[in-house]
Amino acid sequence: GNSVTQMEGPVTLSEEAFLTINCTYTATGYPSLFWYVQYPGEGLQLLLKATKADDKGSNKGFEATYRKETTSFHLEKGSVQVSDSAVYFCAPVASGGSYIPTFGRGTSLIVHP
Amino acid sequence: GAGVSQSPRYKVAKRGQDVALRCDPISGHVSLFWYQQALGQGPEFLTYFQNEAQLDKSGLPSDRFFAERPEGSVSTLKIQRTQQEDSAVYLCASSLDSPNIYTEAFFGQGTRLTVV
Repeated sequence: GNSVTQMEGPVTLSEEAFLTINCTYTATGYPSLFWYVQYPGEGLQLLLKATKADDKGSNKGFEATYRKETTSFHLEKGSVQVSDSAVYFCAPVASGGSYIPTFGRGTSLIVHP
Repeated sequence: GAGVSQSPRYKVAKRGQDVALRCDPISGHVSLFWYQQALGQGPEFLTYFQNEAQLDKSGLPSDRFFAERPEGSVSTLKIQRTQQEDSAVYLCASSLDSPNIYTEAFFGQGTRLTVV
């Protein structure tokens, strides 16, 4: 089955700092990779995705590159804002499974002014 | 509506009480998922519907949990004889097609259930 390892949170940064949230995965078959974000009091929403090796997903200044050789999909942003404070979930979806989206514990990001 | 709608947003139940949580998915979405999210944890899968058919209920924690989607649109998650460990946020999500490698799930805001 699928599994994902994300860095422990919370990650605490000052505004305009550089962000990296690490994600490595194991999956059967050849997965698509997703990052979801959950703002306080809200449900999850898709942030970005990549469906094949070396693809780069990007949205709202965030980027992640699908690295098949290292089975990683690290999330980066060059300059975070207070409004980016949220919990971020890395989610692989792989063939050979049910394709039902599954999530780990996520990584909490706190950005201070 | 434009997004997935859940009601109520907050529910306080006395231990032993039955509760019903409602989900209105995006119109036309075939797939509907229910998740349970405990404080500080990620969403845990409960059950999945394709139209009105419940194809996977492997995540339901006990026979006190029951879900239905009788007409393939609105879904209800029912919890009988609630217990304190049922306290969590219950998230509903829908997607346009049957789950596949490209599936994007659209989530509602969730129902926060507190059992006292």
